[in-house]
Amino acid sequence: ETGVTQSPTHLIKTRGQQVTLRCSSQSGHNTVSWYQQALGQGPQFIFQYYREEENGRGNFPPRFSGLQFPNYSSELNVNALELDDSALYLCASSLDRVAYGYTFGSGTRLTVV
Amino acid sequence: GESVGLHLPTLSVQEGDNSIINCAYSNSASDYFIWYKQESGKGPQFIIDIRSNMDKRQGQRVTVLLNKTVKHLSLQIAATQPGDSAVYFCAEKVEAGTALIFGKGTTLSVSS
Repeated sequence: ETGVTQSPTHLIKTRGQQVTLRCSSQSGHNTVSWYQQALGQGPQFIFQYYREEENGRGNFPPRFSGLQFPNYSSELNVNALELDDSALYLCASSLDRVAYGYTFGSGTRLTVV
Repeated sequence: GESVGLHLPTLSVQEGDNSIINCAYSNSASDYFIWYKQESGKGPQFIIDIRSNMDKRQGQRVTVLLNKTVKHLSLQIAATQPGDSAVYFCAEKVEAGTALIFGKGTTLSVSS
């Protein structure tokens, strides 16, 4: 059984650029949730995808968007990057939309300069 | 909005001591609580969870206590080891919600 894998592990982007982060869910999991973790803070919910549809969204602007594919992997896209977008982006997979049994990946460290 | 908070940002203990990490939550509609451990450069790792219809749950060397009257959650770690050094987060899920709400975390430092 494989866990959650995220790529890339680290990324540096320039303000105004766009970025795509990727997540492969744990085997058997059909739900992916994305979180943003600023330095020294707890993770904040961005959105959740279930069966290729967005199933809940946190307080993030529309320039944060996502996709889920038929194999349940997911992408997080951020347009028009701002300096405050610098953070660790975490992907968590689970079964059937629930928060029980979340498995987190190790995250993608995004730095915006 | 509602959020989960921790009482202390840091906790330093000696190896072999028992550790207690506290968390206060404010949403009475929360029905599920989790403790996570996060080591440097890694994602949060599940430690133990508890549903709102329980007040205590035990795992291996860890115990979670839930006091719904005062909206308080605690994590007790027995015989703390250097490998327990990490940041600990409590998280809550509001009933019928899809997201976890995390607190800011407590950094546990264990010295030998």
